[in-house]
Order: sequence, then C-alpha cells, then structure tokens
Amino acid sequence: GIQVEQSPPDLILQEGANSTLRCNFSDSVNNLQWFHQNPWGQLINLFYIPSGTKQNGRLSATTVATERYSLLYISSSQTTDSGVYFCADGDDGNKLVFGAGTILRVKS
Amino acid sequence: DAGVTQSPTHLIKTRGQQVTLRCSPKSGHDTVSWYQQALGQGPQFIFQYYEEEERQRGNFPDRFSGHQFPNYSSELNVNALLLGDSALYLCASSFLGNTIYFGEGSWLTVV
Repeated sequence: GIQVEQSPPDLILQEGANSTLRCNFSDSVNNLQWFHQNPWGQLINLFYIPSGTKQNGRLSATTVATERYSLLYISSSQTTDSGVYFCADGDDGNKLVFGAGTILRVKS
Repeated sequence: DAGVTQSPTHLIKTRGQQVTLRCSPKSGHDTVSWYQQALGQGPQFIFQYYEEEERQRGNFPDRFSGHQFPNYSSELNVNALLLGDSALYLCASSFLGNTIYFGEGSWLTVV
C-alpha cells in the first residue's frame, strides 16, 4: 500500500515565524488531506487537496500530484498552531494512510 | 450542527475484558470509519461502515468488530483486550467519501 513520509519530524518556531511542512507519497495521490491534532487528541481537517493550491487564513497547502508531494505553509505562526500535523491519503477518502506527523511547537 | 461525537472519552479496562466504543456521525454523513492511534504514531485505519455493512478493513485481527445502525451511528467492539490495545480510538464520518471529520476520540487504557 501507499507509504507516507513527513518532514521534518519536529519543528520549534518563535511566534510570528513562517514554516513549511512536507509530505512525500510512494504512490499516486488520490484523496490527500492535511490534519492538525490538538493537545487533547482531536484531529481537525485543514485541507482536502488532491491537487493544486488552497488557502485558509494563515494556512495554505499545495499538492503536486505528478511528483507525489504536498506542502503545508503556516505563516505568522501563533502559539495556538502548536500540535501535531498529519498528512494522509488513500484510494478512498475514508480509508486513509497517515504519515508519522510533524510535531510543531510555537514559542511566545 | 453537531460534529462527530464519541463516547466514552476515557476508560480503563483489564486484560481479557471486552470494550464497546460508540460514535455518532456528523449530521448528513452516512459513512463511518474507525482508527486506532497509538502514542506517538499516526492513526491507523481499522474499518469502514456504509449502509450498515463493513466495506473496508485494515490490518486488524477479528477481535476488532463493529456495527452501524440505521441512523448511521456506529460501535467498535474489541474482545479479549491486550495491553497493546491501549490507544486513542478515533471515529470519522464523511459523505461521498472525500473530506472526513474526526471526533474527539476515546482514550482506552488496558491494565
């Protein structure tokens, strides 16, 4: 099955800084999604982005399906952005394969 | 509009016991999936229910079973609990299978 590799595994930022998180996929991208997991465990869906670019406030994501990778951009980071960021993909939007995640810590 | 709701939020069980976790999907959603997330790892797909039938299954033993009811709510049952079953169990729902929404999860500790 598809394998998902995320980088970097850990990231520490000063409040206000920008960052880029990356996902590489071993197979073609079908239902790529980005999630943020808060400290209480809830996974929040940030983007459904099998291709192209989307923006939502300070967050944006770009997927280059032909090259099997996706990028998540966080601009002007805030302490509330801290948590774990996951990307996931699958043939079916319900049966997703997740990466190991990027742990983001934003310091004030 | 209520999102995905799960119960209970936390529970502790003894090895060998059985546990049932419950999930109500987001309003308008008809497909429910269950994931297991061990500490420090990404979620792993257990199975998916649609029209009251298990449609897809991940690499989990038969001790893990489920059910979907006519109102689209779902249960996850785990029999003969092992210490390694300790994890966060996440329910997700969707409609037409693209964007999925997760509940807050049920934290299971097996002692």
